[in-house]
Amino acid sequence: DTEVTQTPKHLVMGMTNKKSLKCEQHMGHRAMYWYKQKAKKPPELMFVYSYEKLSINESVPSRFSPECPNSSLLNLHLHALQPEDSALYLCASSQGVFSGGTYEQYFGPGTRLTVT
Amino acid sequence: KQEVTQIPAALSVPEGENLVLNCSFTDSAIYNLQWFRQDPGKGLTSLLLIQSSQREQTSGRLNASLDKSSGRSTLYIAASQPGDSATYLCAVPLGTSGSRLTFGEGTQLTVNP
Repeated sequence: DTEVTQTPKHLVMGMTNKKSLKCEQHMGHRAMYWYKQKAKKPPELMFVYSYEKLSINESVPSRFSPECPNSSLLNLHLHALQPEDSALYLCASSQGVFSGGTYEQYFGPGTRLTVT
Repeated sequence: KQEVTQIPAALSVPEGENLVLNCSFTDSAIYNLQWFRQDPGKGLTSLLLIQSSQREQTSGRLNASLDKSSGRSTLYIAASQPGDSATYLCAVPLGTSGSRLTFGEGTQLTVNP
């Protein structure tokens, strides 16, 4: 089963709200990723977790807070977002990470976030 | 810095046509290259991952080739169907950090019935 699931599919939140995005995979993968994708643009990497530890933070504002409770779950906590944070947020997973190359990355369907 | 370019940005073809999508990258020292498909408002679907030691990878009607020395990859779609309409993205690892993928801007394909 090469499936990554994400909830919710759509989220509308105000700038003062706190919400969370969830991602789950049951492929035994040990690396999980958050990407942000704006319309007509390719995905941009935000965070990488390897063996449940944060290994990469691409200078993402602190209003985005990732969490990896276990090897199958990845959360993205949102607080005090701005309208420009509206985007499609994609989760991905891979077997692992290694220097110089990548294992095949599998993406979830995404959460469409609108900040009002 | 690795840069990935995809040409054309958009392509419209009649059903049944064979077509080629192009991907070029500036740093030829890559370990692999991955092709994805994305339907509007959806996530990415992995189509093919081709290792640097391979020259071709096939899956059904799709065939990806990789020429590291020239910094190019092509995705060949045989006997295109309307269901193939989507945006196709190629991605390569960024430098020595395997976690970072550098994506091209994508080719938006429309297959007309």
